[in-house]
Amino acid sequence: DTGVSQDPRHKITKRGQNVTFRCDPISEHNRLYWYRQTLGQGPEFLTYFQNEAQLEKSRLLSDRFSAERPKGSFSTLEIQRTEQGDSAMYLCASRRGTAYEQYFGPGTRLTVT
Amino acid sequence: AQKITQTQPGMFVQEKEAVTLDCTYDTSDQSYGLFWYKQPSSGEMIFLIYQGSYDEQNATEGRYSLNFQKARKSANLVISASQLGDSAMYFCAMREGGSSGNTPLVFGKGTRLSVIA
Repeated sequence: DTGVSQDPRHKITKRGQNVTFRCDPISEHNRLYWYRQTLGQGPEFLTYFQNEAQLEKSRLLSDRFSAERPKGSFSTLEIQRTEQGDSAMYLCASRRGTAYEQYFGPGTRLTVT
Repeated sequence: AQKITQTQPGMFVQEKEAVTLDCTYDTSDQSYGLFWYKQPSSGEMIFLIYQGSYDEQNATEGRYSLNFQKARKSANLVISASQLGDSAMYFCAMREGGSSGNTPLVFGKGTRLSVIA
């Protein structure tokens, strides 16, 4: 069991570019969450998958954001036409069934210049 | 609406001493879960301890214990025998619907703990 992994760990991009992040949850974890954390704040929920179905999206997830989880395994989070306000740490977490514990990955730190 | 409040932006504690990090919450649900996570400078969120709203005993995990006062809606984290490696950000979080709920975690703003040798 290798834990939740995220790729890349760091991403620097210019404003207006598109970026895509990947999250590999712990195997057999059917629930997957994306959070965003800005400096000095706690993580804020973005979206949630149960298997391949995207069940909930936060109002923080504007039209420029899209997330997928094909086949209920890894997930991708894409941000189109990045803005400086998108600079943040993007955290992925997974959870098994009805277990209470949610395991987080190391995060992807995005810097938009 | 859920809300988590952590009123201590920063705390200092002497090595080997105990420290309490405060957390209050607000929810209209009867079934909910409370969590504490540790975030070192590396950025990864590390799960520490969980308390369910129906649990009668306070949760304990090694040097961590959760002081759960339901009537006051508080869920303070107590770290005993602090170590230098405990220096980190600590986040309190809540999920409505209990342990099996589908709702995501809602986090407070965190408390930065610094352990002094």
